[in-house]
Amino acid sequence: KAGVTQTPRYLIKTRGQQVTLSCSPISGHRSVSWYQQTPGQGLQFLFEYFSETQRNKGNFPGRFSGRQFSNSRSEMNVSTLELGDSALYLCASSLGGDSLTDTQYFGPGTRLTVL
Amino acid sequence: AQSVTQPDIHITVSEGASLELRCNYSYGATPYLFWYVQSPGQGLQLLLKYFSGDTLVQGIKGFEAEFKRSQSSFNLRKPSVHWSDAAEYFCAVRDSSYKLIFGSGTRLLVRP
Repeated sequence: KAGVTQTPRYLIKTRGQQVTLSCSPISGHRSVSWYQQTPGQGLQFLFEYFSETQRNKGNFPGRFSGRQFSNSRSEMNVSTLELGDSALYLCASSLGGDSLTDTQYFGPGTRLTVL
Repeated sequence: AQSVTQPDIHITVSEGASLELRCNYSYGATPYLFWYVQSPGQGLQLLLKYFSGDTLVQGIKGFEAEFKRSQSSFNLRKPSVHWSDAAEYFCAVRDSSYKLIFGSGTRLLVRP
């Protein structure tokens, strides 16, 4: 089975621009979660989508948004980029059932640099 | 609030030596615990997970972890480290809203 794929792998943007990141989950997985990883804050949860609905949200400003399509693929958008948005953005997919044993599998990440 | 603590930022071991990475969690209910590994520039790979049952769980790449409820710990071990094990290791607990809460990570360096 193919793993979680993320595109693009690297992005360079300037302050004030917006960016869209894409994530394709493992086949059969219906939940997609997004995490931001920075040296200072570590791994932080952004949001989770399940069956095209946002099911869970972390503590990030409204500039960070996402969506999920009917094929479970997900996109994350960041508007009005700030220098502090430079990070590795990781996507994780899981079956998405209502079980705490549901396991997340991560993609390789998108490295975003904001200049 | 739930939290995960990895007290060691860096650990250096010699190739062939044993390894133990520490993880302590704070969670009121039954914890669902995970260890992930991240190589430079890569995503996170699942090493192992604990949900219930046997407190010693086996994972990939020869890793194992032991859940100790009395100590709120879930330490990762490997009897003999290989140079390819050099990476950053993250412990995580799944909270009641299903998201993962990660520790700050432990960077493992392997001496030849």
